[in-house]
Amino acid sequence: DGGITQSPKYLFRKEGQNVTLSCEQNLNHDAMYWYRQDPGQGLRLIYYSQIVNDFQKGDIAEGYSVSREKKESFPLTVTSAQKNPTAFYLCASSIQGAYEQYFGPGTRLTVT
Amino acid sequence: RKEVEQDPGPFNVPEGATVAFNCTYSNSASQSFFWYRQDCRKEPKLLMSVYSSGNEDGRFTAQLNRASQYISLLIRDSKLSDSATYLCVVHGSSNTGKLIFGQGTTLQVKP
Repeated sequence: DGGITQSPKYLFRKEGQNVTLSCEQNLNHDAMYWYRQDPGQGLRLIYYSQIVNDFQKGDIAEGYSVSREKKESFPLTVTSAQKNPTAFYLCASSIQGAYEQYFGPGTRLTVT
Repeated sequence: RKEVEQDPGPFNVPEGATVAFNCTYSNSASQSFFWYRQDCRKEPKLLMSVYSSGNEDGRFTAQLNRASQYISLLIRDSKLSDSATYLCVVHGSSNTGKLIFGQGTTLQVKP
């Protein structure tokens, strides 16, 4: 089955630790995105990548980092510099040139 | 002003009712528009794209008014399973693929 997978579903970390969230897709999509969703708010774009080995900052990139070494994978690292890391993180992908995005199931990160 | 604005609701309607959601967007150069559905604690899923001429998919009708910069979603004969948050999504005029998401409108369909 084609799709986007994110792991783990729930993640708990202590303040001051970096944590990496996984996102893998087998849809052969060129573009991948990371969003953050907080309760009662819309999705906010963290980083996006339109092609392997290239990525751009979104609207709230501070405290986050990404890599895109393979077409299928776009991991997100939440660093200790992110002030409010507790949130629901969603990864999405799309065909280059098409604007519909398809989402993975998300990772709920709790930092205490 | 937010780039995409929606009435957060909640909209509480009985089964069988017709309900309409509106959404306004600020960038007049926006080219593509979508409605996504998000169930509680789940990921958003594409419900339908919105075309200039309006489009229908079963009980769902989407319309676009470029002059007034608003998008609507009409749900006829509401089902309990329609209970969810509906996200209005707008693509900007750039070629980056970036989407702008509204905060969502919550619908609760009651028996």
